[in-house]
Amino acid sequence: GAGVSQSPRYKVAKRGQDVALRCDPISGHVSLFWYQQALGQGPEFLTYFQNEAQLDKSGLPSDRFFAERPEGSVSTLKIQRTQQEDSAVYLCASSLRRESSYNEQFFGPGTRLTVL
Amino acid sequence: ILNVEQSPQSLHVQEGDSTNFTCSFPSSNFYALHWYRWETAKSPEALFVMTLNGDEKKKGRISATLNTKEGYSYLYIKGSQPEDSATYLCASPTGGGNKLTFGTGTQLKVEL
Repeated sequence: GAGVSQSPRYKVAKRGQDVALRCDPISGHVSLFWYQQALGQGPEFLTYFQNEAQLDKSGLPSDRFFAERPEGSVSTLKIQRTQQEDSAVYLCASSLRRESSYNEQFFGPGTRLTVL
Repeated sequence: ILNVEQSPQSLHVQEGDSTNFTCSFPSSNFYALHWYRWETAKSPEALFVMTLNGDEKKKGRISATLNTKEGYSYLYIKGSQPEDSATYLCASPTGGGNKLTFGTGTQLKVEL
């Protein structure tokens, strides 16, 4: 069966450019997470969806970051007016159930964003 | 804020060596401890989700233990192989919610 997929795998953007990162979770998974991993750090939480509802966006670093999951499946993370500090690997993960503390999160391979 | 810490940061071992790394986390309000293996250019892969104090889980040559009272977990690899080379991440859910707080990882390289 297909796992979590992300596209593009690599993105180079000029400073000030807008980017959109896509995540296709495992079919039927209720929960979807976005994480950001800067160089030398562990992944850090950005936002969480339960179906189409964005229940937690406390990790989004600024109002330039926006995420959506309009039909409760595919999700898009959009970054407006990219800055160099946005350079990172962006990971998407999905989980079958609503309460995911005890349940495995399935990760995609990530999108490596480089802002020049 | 929940701090999850891992040590060592990196490790080089020879094929056939056994090795272990540590994950520490605040012991109050514990919910679960996740271990992931992340190979270069691939997706992070879940190894274990541990919830009970004293729990020990095993998957092939890899095993993990959990001490929730003192706030640490050990990951052991017996007879390391080159294909074990990866970054090993531990993570814990924050404040009972769904989001995971990760450590910075232990980067393991197994040399022939």
